Amino acid sequence: SSELSQPPSVSVSPGQTASITCSGDKLGDEYVCWYQQKPGQSPVLVIYEDDKRPSGIPERFSGSNSGNTATLTISGTQAMDEADYYCQAWKSDIVFGGGTKLTVL
Amino acid sequence: QVQLQESGPGLVKPSETLSLTCTVSSDSIRDYFWSWIRQPPGKGLEWIGYFHYREGTNYNPSLRSRVTISLDMSKNHFSLKLNSVIAADTAVYYCARGEIERVLYFDYWGQGIQVTVSS
Repeated sequence: SSELSQPPSVSVSPGQTASITCSGDKLGDEYVCWYQQKPGQSPVLVIYEDDKRPSGIPERFSGSNSGNTATLTISGTQAMDEADYYCQAWKSDIVFGGGTKLTVL
Repeated sequence: QVQLQESGPGLVKPSETLSLTCTVSSDSIRDYFWSWIRQPPGKGLEWIGYFHYREGTNYNPSLRSRVTISLDMSKNHFSLKLNSVIAADTAVYYCARGEIERVLYFDYWGQGIQVTVSS
């Protein structure tokens, strides 16, 4: 993994589905994880190994990864989901995407 | 519940060495990838490196020439040293526990410590 690209911002209405993408060359050949970071707080792992949720993470968070793109999907988005989201992959080195600011309008 | 706590000076002069320590409340310090990650003001996350008891160290290539991460099992802490700092090293520095299955991911993080490089 050398470089991961994310859209700077995504907007969603409450109750709708938010999709945040992470792109990289042959990213589907690697495993991706996702972190949520709220202002002034440390990042929190929400997805690992493409689609696994740590205990305590709501079921509305899901992930997928294929081809050159990994996607974090938040179903039934809530106001509390407004945050920055970062993808991360690992081959020989660890790389983070640039982050996406999710706004719940 | 694993807890991590960063400590160290919040202000470092240019060209000097930044030194931080992360104290870990865990009895399995040999089994994980103890890592440092930083976040410049208003920017994204940057992995600095990790130390694993058996696997050794691995550093971000862009910082490799200036970084040392070490582990002190007797004190249950690990440390970061970053030499020859410049203003661009100003950031919040996080320590984190790296777990590995098919990807290395960070499941526990410290609260972060702000470090400013300035004369």
